[in-house]
Amino acid sequence: DIQMTQSPSSLSASVGDRVTITCRARQSIGNFLHWYQQRPGKAPKLLIYAASSLQSGVPSRFSGSGSGTDFTLTIRSLQPEDFASYYCQQSRYIPYTFGQGTKLEIK
Amino acid sequence: EVQLVESGGGLVKPGGSLRLSCAASGFTFIRYTMSWVRQAPGKGLEWVSSMSSSGSDIYYADSVKGRFSISRDNAKNSLFLQMNSLRAEDTALYYCAREGAVDNGMDVWGQGTTVTVSS
Repeated sequence: DIQMTQSPSSLSASVGDRVTITCRARQSIGNFLHWYQQRPGKAPKLLIYAASSLQSGVPSRFSGSGSGTDFTLTIRSLQPEDFASYYCQQSRYIPYTFGQGTKLEIK
Repeated sequence: EVQLVESGGGLVKPGGSLRLSCAASGFTFIRYTMSWVRQAPGKGLEWVSSMSSSGSDIYYADSVKGRFSISRDNAKNSLFLQMNSLRAEDTALYYCAREGAVDNGMDVWGQGTTVTVSS
């Protein structure tokens, strides 16, 4: 299985801050990497697909980059609704695997 | 409106069975690979199973292989997960999700249905 490791596991930030979450795959997955946001009590929501493509309807303050084994999700100018958990997921190999998640909290 | 609605969750004893359903609407169901993803209480996301649009390709996580069975009825725009020999560690919120393409991620999710395995 392809292990996906996110860092940090938790992060405190303020409204207006710029934050970066990283995701590392144990082996190359090309650009088969996606990012999801999950607010408490809600279903996950796709933010970024194929490492850097913004899902329709997602604000442009979200961006993704990377390929191979190292990926980043950047949120520019945090808004109150962005405080949530974030997960990366690889779809290059079966079984699909998710990172352990990053909880973004208000400082 | 594109929508997925899961049902069929509940409380079941260890060793028991449940059948989850996912009703799709607002899109051409037959064109999409569909998946089940679960989330244990307070934990992260775990992929469970996927089935291709035609049903010809089926995949399972090792943790459920041999116990769970995914199926779909394209005529009724429905996805199913038959869960047998349930264990306490299967307790989770089960989501149905649409996969746009293998490199497009899971772009539509249901609200989930809760499965609790306990004596």
